[in-house]
This record gives sequence, C-alpha cells and structure tokens, in this order.
Amino acid sequence: EAQVTQNPRYLITVTGKKLTVTCSQNMNHEYMSWYRQDPGLGLRQIYYSMNVEVTDKGDVPEGYKVSRKEKRNFPLILESPSPNQTSLYFCASSLSWGGNQPQHFGDGTRLSIL
Amino acid sequence: AQTVTQSQPEMSVQEAETVTLSCTYDTSESDYYLFWYKQPPSRQMILVIRQEAYKQQNATENRFSVNFQKAAKSFSLKISDSQLGDAAMYFCAYRAYSGTSYGKLTFGQGTILTVHP
Repeated sequence: EAQVTQNPRYLITVTGKKLTVTCSQNMNHEYMSWYRQDPGLGLRQIYYSMNVEVTDKGDVPEGYKVSRKEKRNFPLILESPSPNQTSLYFCASSLSWGGNQPQHFGDGTRLSIL
Repeated sequence: AQTVTQSQPEMSVQEAETVTLSCTYDTSESDYYLFWYKQPPSRQMILVIRQEAYKQQNATENRFSVNFQKAAKSFSLKISDSQLGDAAMYFCAYRAYSGTSYGKLTFGQGTILTVHP
C-alpha cells in the first residue's frame, strides 16, 4: 500500500531533550516536506527536500533540522525542543516538486513539549 | 509571498443540503494550482479536489465542485447533498507553478464544517 509513515504519532517530552520524528514513504517520491499545524494558522511549511541531499528552509524553519540521506526517509530533528514547538506535525511527499500532483500526507505526529 | 485566506472559521449545514466554503488567495503569478483538503477527526489530510489556474472549467468530483474566479482570486468549495461523513476541517491550499516557492503548499487557516442530521 502506498503511504507516508510517521513515527511516533504522539510524544510528550520536556524542554531541551533532543527528539527525532521519522518519516518514510514507499512511493519513490522525489519531493518531501514537513509542515506544522497550529490553530488559526493552518499548516505551515518547515523544511522541504527536492531530492536526496537537497534540502531547504520553508516558512518556519527555526529550531528544526532535517536530513535526506535516502530517497525514502526525511526525518525531522528538534535538537533542543521548546514549548513553542508544541504542535501537530505532518510529513508529505509527492512524485516531483511541480505540477498538480497531490502531496500525500502522513497521519500526523502530535508533539507536546513541557 | 502568496497568502491564502479562509474567512469562515466555522460553518454548519443540514444533512442533504448544500454548503459553500470560501477561499481567497493573493498571488502575482498567472500559473498555479489550487486544492481543497479535508481533515476529519482522524487527522488525515485527504485531497478533495484540485484546480489548475489555466483551466477555465471548474473542477468537479462527485458531490464536490469549485467556483474558481481567477480575476477575483477566489476559490470556493461547494458540497452538495451533504453527508455526516463530510464533517471535518477543510483547508484551501495554493501551489506555485514555478519560482522559489515551487512545490510548497500554502494553506489557509481552515474551516470547521459541522453536518447536522
């Protein structure tokens, strides 16, 4: 089954404790992206990757890191999480970065930083 | 920078009735794509319908249709014969055809749709 898999789905942690949210897709997609969803703000892009070893900042990259060592994986790293990073996070992928091809979303990760 | 605005935080509709969700956007581009996504309580993001800006014909997918007004930069979603399963948060989204923001989806704030039996 074609899908984008995020883990974990829920995480409660404390300020400053490094964490990684994994994202994996099995569709051989080139383009992958991370979004965060906050009430009243919709989804905002954090980082994106157009292919292996090619990543760039989105609209709200502060406090986050990403890597794209393999085509299928695009982990989101919070080196020193803070309470303002409490949010719902989505990983998404699409065949390429252009066109009307839909982005396929993971099921979301609910992060709570205390 | 492109912006997408959904001015209706909440809407409600009776089952079997029709409801229209509003979306406006701001861009200086002439070519782009527009999408409506549905997010039920399960949190999944489900593509409902998409529209290419170069197409004059409004997109339709079963009970879902759009009213795309390019000059007015308006992209509303009409849901006909509303069903209880349509209850969800709906997001309007814009995607550039080219340029530095190529590929990024810019989302509106979302509209919560309640369907009453």
